Amino acid sequence: DIVMTQSPDSLAVSLGERATINCKSSQSVLYSSNNKNHLAWYQQKPGQPPKLLIYWASTRESGVPDRFSGSGSGTDFTLTINSLQAEDVTVYYCQQYYSTPYTFGQGTKLEIK
Amino acid sequence: QVQLVQSGAEVKKPEASVKVSCKASGYTFTGYSVHWVRQAPGQGLEWMGWINPNSGRTHSAQKFQGRVTMTRDTSISTAYMELSRLASDDTAVYYCAREYCSSTTCSPFMDVWGKGTTVTVSS
Repeated sequence: DIVMTQSPDSLAVSLGERATINCKSSQSVLYSSNNKNHLAWYQQKPGQPPKLLIYWASTRESGVPDRFSGSGSGTDFTLTINSLQAEDVTVYYCQQYYSTPYTFGQGTKLEIK
Repeated sequence: QVQLVQSGAEVKKPEASVKVSCKASGYTFTGYSVHWVRQAPGQGLEWMGWINPNSGRTHSAQKFQGRVTMTRDTSISTAYMELSRLASDDTAVYYCAREYCSSTTCSPFMDVWGKGTTVTVSS
């Protein structure tokens, strides 16, 4: 199984500042046949299901604010939230969909400093 | 609008089975695979498996093989996930989620989620 490890587990950022969440996979999720990284990011607010933010490591889902961006390739990925808003303060997960079982990171809790 | 509506909360005893339903609306049910993901209290997300509503083909995580059964009824656009031999660590919120499809291909990340079904296993 591919193990997804996020860092940090929690992060405190001031409103208006930048938040950076990292995700590392135990093996590459770059698929040679399509040259795409099979990596997605989700946001989950309390009592709600996850919401898709980013897929193919860097493609923003329709309707997601452009302050959210994804980057990285192979085994190392980053979710960046520019100009943090109060509504962004919640938990974020990465997910690999390179091979089954599709696995998630343990989550990163974003808080206000 | 596109949505997945799940069945209500369940309380089960150890060794019992639970069957969760997930009714799709607003899109062609047979055009998108449905995934099942669970989340134990205060914990992260765990992928359980998927079903292709068109073919009925399923694939589950090895951890759940032999215990999970995923089915569908295309006449009512509903997917089901049944988990047997329940134990206390099966207490979780169970989500169904639609697989993402572009105009040309589908990929196993999830763009539409149900609100979740809480399953509590307690003697």
